[in-house]
Amino acid sequence: EIVLTQSPDFQSVTPKEKVTITCRASQSIGSSLHWYQQKPDQSPKLLIKYASQSFSGVPSRFSGSGSGTDFTLTINSLEAEDAATYYCHQSSSLPQTFGQGTKVEIK
Amino acid sequence: QVQLQESGPGLVKPSETLSLTCTVSGASISSYYWTWIRQSPGKGLEWIGYMYYTGSGNYNPALKSRVTISVDTSKKQFSLKLSSVTAADTAVYYCAREGGGGGVFDYWSQGTLVTVSS
Repeated sequence: EIVLTQSPDFQSVTPKEKVTITCRASQSIGSSLHWYQQKPDQSPKLLIKYASQSFSGVPSRFSGSGSGTDFTLTINSLEAEDAATYYCHQSSSLPQTFGQGTKVEIK
Repeated sequence: QVQLQESGPGLVKPSETLSLTCTVSGASISSYYWTWIRQSPGKGLEWIGYMYYTGSGNYNPALKSRVTISVDTSKKQFSLKLSSVTAADTAVYYCAREGGGGGVFDYWSQGTLVTVSS
């Protein structure tokens, strides 16, 4: 099973600041890495697919990069509505797995 | 737009079978893989398995002996059965579509809390 490790676990950020979340896979997964945003009492929502492809309707301040084992989700100019927990997910091999999540709080 | 809605009991007794159904609207149930995912405080997000309408699918090895996912095209529904449940199976259960080119969960249900307790 591929283990995804996110860092940091928690980040407190002021509005308009840049946020960087990393996801490291325990073995190479190519670009089969996806990012989701989950707000309290809501289901996760797809932000980025295949490491760097934005999902329809996602604001342009969200971007992804990486390949192999190291991936990054970047939020440029954080807005208050971006307070959420962010998860990475790999679909390279079964069982599909998720990272443990990174909670982003607005200062 | 694509919508997924689960239904099923929110309370299940230990050793019994958890059964949930997901109704799909706004998408062809014959064109995608359909997935169940659960989320518990202790284990985070856990992929349970997926199924295609033809019966082709796969399950998480950790749950494989207890899980069955099926697709009913006539009702535009897919279902989850998890047998011999314990308290460790208490979680929010989501149904989702695997779309976006494959391997991506692009639409999710709102989630339903299932508690295992006597």
